[in-house]
Amino acid sequence: DVKVTQSSRYLVKRTGEKVFLECVQDMDHENMFWYRQDPGLGLRLIYFSYDVKMKEKGDIPEGYSVSREKKERFSLILESASTNQTSMYLCASSPRRGWTEAFFGQGTRLTVV
Amino acid sequence: AQSVTQPDIHITVSEGASLELRCNYSYGATPYLFWYVQSPGQGLQLLLKYFSGDTLVQGIKGFEAEFKRSQSSFNLRKPSVHWSDAAEYFCAVVSSYNTDKLIFGTGTRLQVFP
Repeated sequence: DVKVTQSSRYLVKRTGEKVFLECVQDMDHENMFWYRQDPGLGLRLIYFSYDVKMKEKGDIPEGYSVSREKKERFSLILESASTNQTSMYLCASSPRRGWTEAFFGQGTRLTVV
Repeated sequence: AQSVTQPDIHITVSEGASLELRCNYSYGATPYLFWYVQSPGQGLQLLLKYFSGDTLVQGIKGFEAEFKRSQSSFNLRKPSVHWSDAAEYFCAVVSSYNTDKLIFGTGTRLQVFP
């Protein structure tokens, strides 16, 4: 089975902190994604990557950056956390370019205080 | 702009009753469509997908969905709901502008009463 693992289920951070959310997939997938999930808004794409060191902005990239130094790992970085970034963050991967099924991690619930 | 609409925010059904969750999309060409389920505190799990061919698609856990091009719909159905089906359900479509991207609806929360 494909496994997408997010390093933390719950995080509490202070305003202004630099926050790293880590995601690892074990199936040699090319594509990796970070989504943000908020009630009533569904899932919104923050960033995605289709190759090592490649990244593309999604629909809501402001306040976030990403890093993909290895194929299996995709990190989401909040440079200076703010309270409006309190949310559920979901990582996903898919096998290759052009659409195929996406596999999701269990999510990280981030609270910024 | 492309979009996916799930008109029902919250649905409540009795265990054993039938279920239909609505999904409408806006898309120029033949879409790739998905239904995902999210149990409380969990990530998303794929229920079923439609790429082409037979418009009635069978998925896991006894779910099915029917693609109707004339209505721009991809409604999810189950003939008899179980208490374990209580979850949030998301419809999604592949973006026509970037086939690496999924566009999600806002979700429908299903509550099941015994």
